[in-house]
Amino acid sequence: DTAVSQTPKYLVTQMGNDKSIKCEQNLGHDTMYWYKQDSKKFLKIMFSYNNKELIINETVPNRFSPKSPDKAHLNLHINSLELGDSAVYFCASRRQGVPDGYTFGSGTRLTVV
Amino acid sequence: AQSVTQLGSHVSVSEGALVLLRCNYSSSVPPYLFWYVQYPNQGLQLLLKYTSAATLVKGINGFEAEFKKSETSFHLTKPSAHMSDAAEYFCAVSDGSGNTGKLIFGQGTTLQVKP
Repeated sequence: DTAVSQTPKYLVTQMGNDKSIKCEQNLGHDTMYWYKQDSKKFLKIMFSYNNKELIINETVPNRFSPKSPDKAHLNLHINSLELGDSAVYFCASRRQGVPDGYTFGSGTRLTVV
Repeated sequence: AQSVTQLGSHVSVSEGALVLLRCNYSSSVPPYLFWYVQYPNQGLQLLLKYTSAATLVKGINGFEAEFKKSETSFHLTKPSAHMSDAAEYFCAVSDGSGNTGKLIFGQGTTLQVKP
């Protein structure tokens, strides 16, 4: 199926650990995003890559490091996890020049204990 | 800079009643506007979008929204609420710019539907 897929869907980990979330899209899009939905359900953009180039970095702590090995993948690595990192992380993609064609993944629920 | 304000964090309606969820935006360029729905423990589903074509936009599940430039609004309506409409609703704006085109979301509105 054509989609934006995220793995894992659920992630429970202890404070201080390092973890990664992966995102892949097979839609041929060239722009990918990470959004964070906090406990109050507020959605905020974190990063965006266009053709493997970082184009948005919304004042996210350095513990968060996105990596885009190719334009179909955008991974998120988080170092030294903190309780406040608990959230749902959504990946999304879009084709440049198609301003309304966003596709979201189903989300990764990260719980830091 | 763009922003979105959703008036009312919680809206409660009776089944069969009109649903009205309010969204006001701020944008220095012609905006692209979206409404998303999120059911409990699920992802974001696009309800409808405004892309400078018709000002009255029809979406899925009987929802529609009207773009009013003079009021900078994009309110979501449904004539008759159904129990299955209970969910979180997000209004979002994008400038549609070439490279970034990030979505800016409102705070969300929880819709409760009472039997």
